[in-house]
Amino acid sequence: DAKTTQPTSMDCAEGRAANLPCNHSTISGNEYVYWYRQIHSQGPQYIIHGLKNNETNEMASLIITEDRKSSTLILPHATLRDTAVYYCIVRAVYNYGQNFVFGPGTRLSVLP
Amino acid sequence: DAEITQSPRHKITETGRQVTLACHQTWNHNNMFWYRQDLGHGLRLIHYSYGVQDTNKGEVSDGYSVSRSNTEDLPLTLESAASSQTSVYFCASSDRGQGNIQYFGAGTRLSVL
Repeated sequence: DAKTTQPTSMDCAEGRAANLPCNHSTISGNEYVYWYRQIHSQGPQYIIHGLKNNETNEMASLIITEDRKSSTLILPHATLRDTAVYYCIVRAVYNYGQNFVFGPGTRLSVLP
Repeated sequence: DAEITQSPRHKITETGRQVTLACHQTWNHNNMFWYRQDLGHGLRLIHYSYGVQDTNKGEVSDGYSVSRSNTEDLPLTLESAASSQTSVYFCASSDRGQGNIQYFGAGTRLSVL
C-alpha cells in the first residue's frame, strides 16, 4: 500500500471549514484513499473514501487531485466535537481482508 | 442497528494471569481484526480472521491468541499477561462489497500490574 504524508497538527476556528491535506505521490491505479478519525480515547471512526472522483457524505467532502497524488478532507463547518486525530490511508481495493496501516495522522484542534 | 462491541471497557490484571478480551459484531462481517494502540506506535495489528476457523498472525502477535468459532465473535486471549501488554485494544470488522471499510469498537483499556 502507498505511503501517505500529513501535517502533524492543524488548528481551525469553530464554524469555519477545516481542510486537511494528504500527500500520496506513490499511489497506484487500484488504490483508494480512506479517511478515519480518532477522538480521544475512542475507536477510529470511518469518515469517507474515494478512488478518483470527489466524494461527499454527511460528515465531509473528499477532494482528490486529477493526478491522484494528493487529496484534501474538508469538514465544512467544524465544531468542537471535530477535534481529533485524522488519518489518511491509501489501500489497494483488492485487500479486503488486510489491516489498515495508521500513520501518525493530523491532530486537528477546533478552537472556540 | 448493527454494531461492534468490546468488553470489558477497562481491565486490571496481574502479570502471569490469563486474560480474554471479547469482541462481538452484528454486521455478519467475514473479516475481524485486533489492534493495540500505544503512545508513539499508532495502531498495530495483533491477529486477524477472514472467517470461521480462520486466524492469522499480525505484526505483534507474540503472547496473544485468537479463535473464531462463529462469524460474530473474535475473542483475544493473553496467555500469560505481561506489563508490556498494558495498552488499549481495538477490535474491527469489515466485509466485501462495502468499500473495504473497517469499523472499530470502542476499545478495551488493559492494565497489567
